[in-house]
Amino acid sequence: TQLLEQSPQFLSIQEGENLTVYCNSSSVFSSLQWYRQEPGEGPVLLVTVVTGGEVKKLKRLTFQFGDARKDSSLHITAAQPGDTGLYLCAGDDQGAQKLVFGQGTRLTINP
Amino acid sequence: DAGVIQSPRHEVTEMGQEVTLRCKPISGHDYLFWYRQTMMRGLELLIYFNNNVPIDDSGMPEDRFSAKMPNASFSTLKIQPSEPRDSAVYFCASSPLAGIDEQFFGPGTRLTVL
Repeated sequence: TQLLEQSPQFLSIQEGENLTVYCNSSSVFSSLQWYRQEPGEGPVLLVTVVTGGEVKKLKRLTFQFGDARKDSSLHITAAQPGDTGLYLCAGDDQGAQKLVFGQGTRLTINP
Repeated sequence: DAGVIQSPRHEVTEMGQEVTLRCKPISGHDYLFWYRQTMMRGLELLIYFNNNVPIDDSGMPEDRFSAKMPNASFSTLKIQPSEPRDSAVYFCASSPLAGIDEQFFGPGTRLTVL
């Protein structure tokens, strides 16, 4: 099974600051997905990246897929308390019809 | 659409008891997944179904766990007998055409085994 490592595991910053979280693997993925999970709820898809080097923007969130399709990053500009949550990356598992999830980055934005 | 529905939302039981978790996937979705989430181990895939057929149960911890999908609109995850280490949040998710497409998660069942 392919593994995805996310860093940092925990991040607590002040409102208005910028941040980047990472999702890394030694394996190549055909695509990577980013989910956000809020307390008491299930994960919700934010974005899917499929092409090496691809950059996608979702308002203040910028997602990048590494050129070799082994890693991805999520950058948040001017973080807001509403960005608080658990951010999970997920990739396809060696051609099987299932996803492998990273451990997640637990983000807290303080007002 | 109502989304993926799970019941119960919370379950507290005593060690040794049987626990049954239920899931109704989004209508028309071909794939159904059962996950377990803990702080220590994160989100783990237990088993998934395609068109009601179990495809991969390699994540099921042991024989105490079993899952069924008798029809396209209902699935159960059963733990018998339950143990304190089974305490976790259990999620059901469904996906329309491929398991690696977007997965739609239910709200989860928080299980506490005393």
